[in-house]
This record gives sequence, C-alpha cells and structure tokens, in this order.
Amino acid sequence: AQSVSQHNHHVILSEAASLELGCNYSYGGTVNLFWYVQYPGQHLQLLLKYFSGDPLVKGIKGFEAEFIKSKFSFNLRKPSVQWSDTAEYFCAVHTSGGYNKLIFGAGTRLAVHP
Amino acid sequence: DTEVTQTPKHLVMGMTNKKSLKCEQHMGHRAMYWYKQKAKKPPELMFVYSYEKLSINESVPSRFSPECPNSSLLNLHLHALQPEDSALYLCASSQASGGARETQYFGPGTRLLVL
Repeated sequence: AQSVSQHNHHVILSEAASLELGCNYSYGGTVNLFWYVQYPGQHLQLLLKYFSGDPLVKGIKGFEAEFIKSKFSFNLRKPSVQWSDTAEYFCAVHTSGGYNKLIFGAGTRLAVHP
Repeated sequence: DTEVTQTPKHLVMGMTNKKSLKCEQHMGHRAMYWYKQKAKKPPELMFVYSYEKLSINESVPSRFSPECPNSSLLNLHLHALQPEDSALYLCASSQASGGARETQYFGPGTRLLVL
C-alpha cells in the first residue's frame, strides 16, 4: 500500500534559520505531491504542489520543494523562517491510477522562536 | 473565492443522539470529501462524492452516513456514535471527479466530542 513518511515529527528553530522538512513516499508509479500547512486554529491550506515538469516548485510564503524521483522524496524548504511559520506541515501524495485518494504523512510540527 | 464552510464549529453529543455536520462550497467544485482528523494525527479519508454520487467509502462504520443533496452541499449524519469518534471532521472539495491532479480545498472543520 502507498505510504508517506515525514521523518521529523517536531522541529524547533529560531527566526531566520533555514528549514528543510523531509517527505518520502512509497509508490513506484506516477505521483502527484502536495504540501499543506495547518496554522494553529486554522484550516489546512495548500502551500505548493507538484504534478510534472520542473522538479523544483515554488509555493506561497517563500516555501519551495524539490521532487527527487530517484529518492522518492519531496522535501520542503524555506531559506529563512519567521515566527508566523509556526504550524503543522503535512506532505501528501495522490497517485495516478490505482488507489484514488490523497494520502497524508503524519505531519511535522514546527515551532519558530523569536 | 476558495472557501469551504462547515457548521457547526463545535458539537457535543451523547452516544444516543442524532446530529448532522454540514459543509458548503460555492466554487463550482464537483468532488467533495469527508475526512476525520484525530489529535496530532493526519487527516484520514472517510468518503468521496463525485458529481453528487458516492465514489469512495473507506469502510466507514454505518453510524456515519454521508449525503450530498446537491453539488454545493455535503452532509454527514451521525447516529449512535462512540467516544472514540471524537475528532475534527474536515470537509474538502476539488474541481471535478476527485482525480489525482486536483487540489483539495479544506474547510475549518467541526470539532466533535462524543460523551
């Protein structure tokens, strides 16, 4: 069965630090990849998505992610985090063909200290 | 407008009660979803409606009964729930059939407590 792994469950950073959150998936076919963010008390929002083409995708709020097919990875990055980035981040995979559903990783809780 | 609205925001119910959760979107989307999210866990898919027809039921117990009266509305009817059903229930919608390249837009959720 398809699965999504987010290795960092909790990350604590100081403002201006760089961020990289790992995401790996297990599926050998075509995948469509998403990063969602859930700010405290708010609903899930799409940060960015990758379907095809340039493996480096840029999203909102200065986030970007890189799809590396050979590593089955889609890591999220931001060069300089802000306190307002404190949130939970979910990687999600939707496979083309086969099982038609969006599968979420366990999430990474990011805390940014001023 | 990329808004999905859900009512109520909070719901407390006893195990013998019957209640309903409501979800609405006005983006012209034709696929709508119910997810369940337990504390500190990712959302888990429950149901998918595509063009007002149930297309996916993730083996959800029958005490949860979805309904899609029209393309803008999605209900989740609750009956005889158990305390372990307490969770945040999320509604989402996407453009067409729920395909892999569709972005799902999520509502704020209904936080349900079953006593």
